[in-house]
Amino acid sequence: QKEVEQNSGPLSVPEGAIASLNCTYSDRVSQSFFWYRQYSGKSPELIMSIYSNGDKEDGRFTAQLNKASQYVSLLIRDSQPSDSATYLCAVGKDMRFGAGTRLTVKP
Amino acid sequence: KAGVTQTPRYLIKTRGQQVTLSCSPISGHRSVSWYQQTPGQGLQFLFEYFSETQRNKGNFPGRFSGRQFSNSRSEMNVSTLELGDSALYLCASSLARAQETQYFGPGTRLLVL
Repeated sequence: QKEVEQNSGPLSVPEGAIASLNCTYSDRVSQSFFWYRQYSGKSPELIMSIYSNGDKEDGRFTAQLNKASQYVSLLIRDSQPSDSATYLCAVGKDMRFGAGTRLTVKP
Repeated sequence: KAGVTQTPRYLIKTRGQQVTLSCSPISGHRSVSWYQQTPGQGLQFLFEYFSETQRNKGNFPGRFSGRQFSNSRSEMNVSTLELGDSALYLCASSLARAQETQYFGPGTRLLVL
């Protein structure tokens, strides 16, 4: 079992819809969780970090963390074609990454 | 403010050789982390340096090593290269901890023949 798992996708949503990206992890003691976005041919860039159970909102992005169920999710509201990218979940102080979910937002 | 820079951007080596990659963090950033990205394994953490000391280490063999200088610049060395070491090597810097906002450099693409 991989330590950090993500649905590889591709996930396709129409423009203006909500995109939901999920990530599960195996290490129960993990305390830090991150979502990165990586455009094709580019380096990852941090979108959100979350450390406490519950929701954290930043603009159109909402990260949700449930430590008891060991999952973290990212919601993208009002999805735009420019959101089309691979989204990487990272967990823990040693930054274990999932394989990423490729999101396509269709105009 | 200049971003994270990595040199060289592209590199071709043969099996058995060694390679040294360089990373200059954003000015004022003291934490530098290294990652390997491949299509098969994705993005994997190699190690993190802070104040010239390795603070965290991923699950890579001892052929992979690094160091950090007093000006926070960091180098990564891979000895006895294997075909499987072909990858994009990314460096990321942050103010003090890898768990803070990290800024990634453009990467060094290494091809081992």
